[in-house]
Amino acid sequence: AQSVTQLGSHVSVSEGALVLLRCNYSSSVPPYLFWYVQYPNQGLQLLLKYTSAATLVKGINGFEAEFKKSETSFHLTKPSAHMSDAAEYFCAVSTYSSASKIIFGSGTRLSIRP
Amino acid sequence: GAVVSQHPSWVICKSGTSVKIECRSLDFQATTMFWYRQFPKQSLMLMATSNEGSKATYEQGVEKDKFLINHASLTLSTLTVTSAHPEDSSFYICSARNTQGAGELFFGEGSRLTVL
Repeated sequence: AQSVTQLGSHVSVSEGALVLLRCNYSSSVPPYLFWYVQYPNQGLQLLLKYTSAATLVKGINGFEAEFKKSETSFHLTKPSAHMSDAAEYFCAVSTYSSASKIIFGSGTRLSIRP
Repeated sequence: GAVVSQHPSWVICKSGTSVKIECRSLDFQATTMFWYRQFPKQSLMLMATSNEGSKATYEQGVEKDKFLINHASLTLSTLTVTSAHPEDSSFYICSARNTQGAGELFFGEGSRLTVL
């Protein structure tokens, strides 16, 4: 079975500050890991994905995440927050197969202070 | 990236009526699509896995007679909420897996259902 845990349901940072959203996973097989962003009343947009290649993954909008097997973590970071980054962020895990399910974390709401 | 389209985006219906939501993969074929339900300020709850040409696989606790899923083609899956009640009001999101890629899901824009 697979699962993800997102630490902190709400994170607030100042504009220009470092963004760090935490995600830990559990998987009995090598995982695929994802970060998605959701703006109000919209679907989900893929920020980045880890698929067993490079452990440091760069995504869109300046976000990146590092896969650390020893810590079973896949934390999302961005060096400098923008107001437009305010949204809900979901970490997710799956294994690659044509029908395997993606399991989502509970989500972290990111607020940006002016 | 790949595009998944959902229709309608918003729907308001009377209690007791049925509502159909469509999910289309516009530029790729999807043998598998997924339907999620999202309550306000909560994560996505997987309702069912829709398989082209076969019956959907429902998650535990999801009523298959209440939420009818049809996946008649490689680009279209539909979710029908039958005899809708106010407690069925929610945000429904579909996704499709691009089997040519790394297995990531592409999501529709979501459908907001309000049952009066």
